[in-house]
Parts: sequence; structure tokens; C-alpha cells
Amino acid sequence: QVQLKETGPDLVQLTQTLSITCTVSGFSLTTYNVHWVRQPPGKGLEWMGAMWNGGGTDYNSAFKSRLSISRDTSKSQVFLKMNSLQTDDTAKYFCARQGINYGSYPFDYWGQGVMVTVSS
Amino acid sequence: DTVLTQSPALAVSPGERVTISCRASESVSTGMHWYQQKPGQQPKLLIYGASNLESGVPARFSGSGSGTDFTLTIDPVEADDTATYFCQQSWNDPTFGGGTKLELK
Repeated sequence: QVQLKETGPDLVQLTQTLSITCTVSGFSLTTYNVHWVRQPPGKGLEWMGAMWNGGGTDYNSAFKSRLSISRDTSKSQVFLKMNSLQTDDTAKYFCARQGINYGSYPFDYWGQGVMVTVSS
Repeated sequence: DTVLTQSPALAVSPGERVTISCRASESVSTGMHWYQQKPGQQPKLLIYGASNLESGVPARFSGSGSGTDFTLTIDPVEADDTATYFCQQSWNDPTFGGGTKLELK
């Protein structure tokens, strides 16, 4: 059974660093890519970046050098770390698996997300 | 970035047919997917590769299009379909449409 679960803080102070963990089960991080997507309250979805199955990463340029994604395959975990948080980083943060047997590459499984509020 | 444009909202009556459109700023071939999101929940994959129904999704949902113009159709609409629908392209770095909120009359 494929599952993804995000864990992280509810509240982060302005200019501080956000750290979120995505723990996966039912599949291997060395086979599937895992992405991070966020959604501000009442707004749309924004792709943040990816952890490739081979260990490489890719980032949305909108986050410039603020964002870092890493993983621990032995623990089946993918990590998101973003610094210099501002109030407009308040959002629900999701991790999602990218499917590989579709001929295209949709996000076929998503975590429930973690809501993070940036407070001044 | 590939920008995806959706109309913001639609209202239909149960039993009717509804089409939700998504236009890409450049060709994405058939690398377009559709998701349903209900309040407080994560997105759920409905359609992948523009026209392929995800396993377990009712056949009332269908997708079409290629290049820059894509459509999600629900026929007939049921009360449980009240949700926001997002398109997403995977031809380039992933981007999402702004979402179309479907309400039932």
C-alpha cells in the first residue's frame, strides 16, 4: 500500500528555516521520484522541486537558492528545507510520488500535507 | 515556465454535462493531467496523459486534447463532484493551472 506522510512544524517564525520530512511506504525512493508541492490557503498548487530516484534534485527557479531537497533512502524519507521564510510562504506543503508506468508522469499518490504558518 | 490557464469557476446542475478547459502557453504534447481536490484534502489524480482514466476513477470523467488545449469532461455530474479541478503539465518542469471550482446548483 503506497503512502506518503509529511511531518513538520505548524508554525515557523519570520526569516527562519522550514524543515519538513516526507516518509514514504509501499515503494522505493530509488525507483520513484518524489516531488514537493505547496498550496497557500485558498489558492492554487505550486511545484517546488523534486528528488529524483537516482539521487539528483531539481528546483523551481522561483525559490532560487532558498530551497534544498535531500533524502535518506534507508529510512524512506525525503526532506525539504527552505530558509528565509516570509509570510507568503504560509501554505500547506505536500509531497507527491511521480508515477512511472503511465507513459507520462503524473503525480499518482500524495501525502495529506502539512499546514505551515509563518508568523512575525 | 509553461503557464496553464483555467476558468476560475463553473456552476452546473446534477445530471448535466460539464467541460473544464485548460490552455497551455506552449505545447505540452499529451503531458497533461487532471486532479480533483476537495476542501482539506490532497489532490487526487483523475486523468493522465491527457485522455487516460486513472484506475478506480468513475467513467463519468474523461479527458481530451493535445498541444495547448485540453478539456476535462464530467458526464453526468453528480453532487459528489463538487470540488476544485486542477490541470498539470509534465512536459516541462511541472506547473499547475489555477484551478476551476465546480459548484452544483
